[in-house]
Amino acid sequence: AQKVTQAQTEISVVEKEDVTLDCVYETRDTTYYLFWYKQPPSGELVFLIRRNSFDEQNEISGRYSWNFQKSTSSFNFTITASQVVDSAVYFCALSNAGSTLGRLYFGRGTQLTVWP
Amino acid sequence: DADVTQTPRNRITKTGKRIMLECSQTKGHDRMYWYRQDPGLGLRLIYYSFDVKDINKGEISDGYSVSRQAQAKFSLSLESAIPNQTALYFCATSATGFTDTQYFGPGTRLTVL
Repeated sequence: AQKVTQAQTEISVVEKEDVTLDCVYETRDTTYYLFWYKQPPSGELVFLIRRNSFDEQNEISGRYSWNFQKSTSSFNFTITASQVVDSAVYFCALSNAGSTLGRLYFGRGTQLTVWP
Repeated sequence: DADVTQTPRNRITKTGKRIMLECSQTKGHDRMYWYRQDPGLGLRLIYYSFDVKDINKGEISDGYSVSRQAQAKFSLSLESAIPNQTALYFCATSATGFTDTQYFGPGTRLTVL
């Protein structure tokens, strides 16, 4: 069975702090993809990153970075020097070859609030 | 212009009414999906379509139906709306298989009174 767990329901930080959002996944497949999406207060879902199971290289994009560790089945997301505009719900998701093809399994999301 | 659009963006309806949510995309993708988001539950798949002639149920299809009118259009219907169908509904598209990113529309906020 496929499952994505985001244990942190809500996180609050003050601007300029670093913050890490945790994502733990379960799958029996060896080939799978992991995603992060951002949902700002306006409600839309914005794609942030896709990572395949064969590429454990960490990714950095500006203030965003992602740490993929197959040994712990985790795909954590770090925001460095957080800003108020980072306030949003962040979703981690999984797709794999064994699932309904193309179906995304979502975690329940982490609400991040960045205070000025 | 947005690649994936949804209409209406907000809708309030009454129990028992039939309602249709529409999704259009200009990305040229074959695959389209309908998800539902409830607070604290993430997104759950309602229906998905791999092409015009291929429609499949997702994990929570009861009470919903869909129509794929064209490659670019995928509609979700609630035949007889009930209050627990109050939610945020998202349409998504992707190019081919599970390796591809799904791109989401802006969402439709539906309230059933």
